[in-house]
Amino acid sequence: KAGVTQTPRYLIKTRGQQVTLSCSPISGHRSVSWYQQTPGQGLQFLFEYFSETQRNKGNFPGRFSGRQFSNSRSEMNVSTLELGDSALYLCASSTSGLGVVETQYFGPGTRLLVL
Amino acid sequence: GENVEQHPSTLSVQEGDSAVIKCTYSDSASNYFPWYKQELGKRPQLIIDIRSNVGEKKDQRIAVTLNKTAKHFSLHITETQPEDSAVYFCAASGDNDMRFGAGTRLTVKP
Repeated sequence: KAGVTQTPRYLIKTRGQQVTLSCSPISGHRSVSWYQQTPGQGLQFLFEYFSETQRNKGNFPGRFSGRQFSNSRSEMNVSTLELGDSALYLCASSTSGLGVVETQYFGPGTRLLVL
Repeated sequence: GENVEQHPSTLSVQEGDSAVIKCTYSDSASNYFPWYKQELGKRPQLIIDIRSNVGEKKDQRIAVTLNKTAKHFSLHITETQPEDSAVYFCAASGDNDMRFGAGTRLTVKP
């Protein structure tokens, strides 16, 4: 079974631009969660989608948005990029989502650098 | 909102010893507490989790305990091995948000 995939793996953008990141979950997984990881702020939860609906949302500004498609693939979008958005963006998939005791699998991440 | 504190930030143990990492949370509505292991340069792995209706859960050499009254939960690793060396993150999740601890860098010396 293929693992969680994320594209692109690396991205360089400039301030003010927008970016779209993609996450393909493991086949059969309906939940996709997104996280931001930086050396300064550590791991932070962005949002979780389950069956095309946003179920949970972390404390991030409205510039961060996401969606999930009927095939469970998810995208996150960051508009009006700021230097502080430079980070590793991780997605993770699971069958039933956050709060359910089961295994969750992470993708390799997309490393975003904002110049 | 939720605030999660994790201690210690670094922990060094001898192979075969036990390691304990503690986290406290602030939101009494939190009901799900996962632990993640992240080896250097790799993606995080969910290693164990516990819900608020359970006080303890064990999986081979790792265990997690939860004290809802005191709002703290702990990760216990017994018989540590060099491959346990990694950064460990705790997290607490409620109805909407999930907050992570700052991480503990565990080093197991052979």
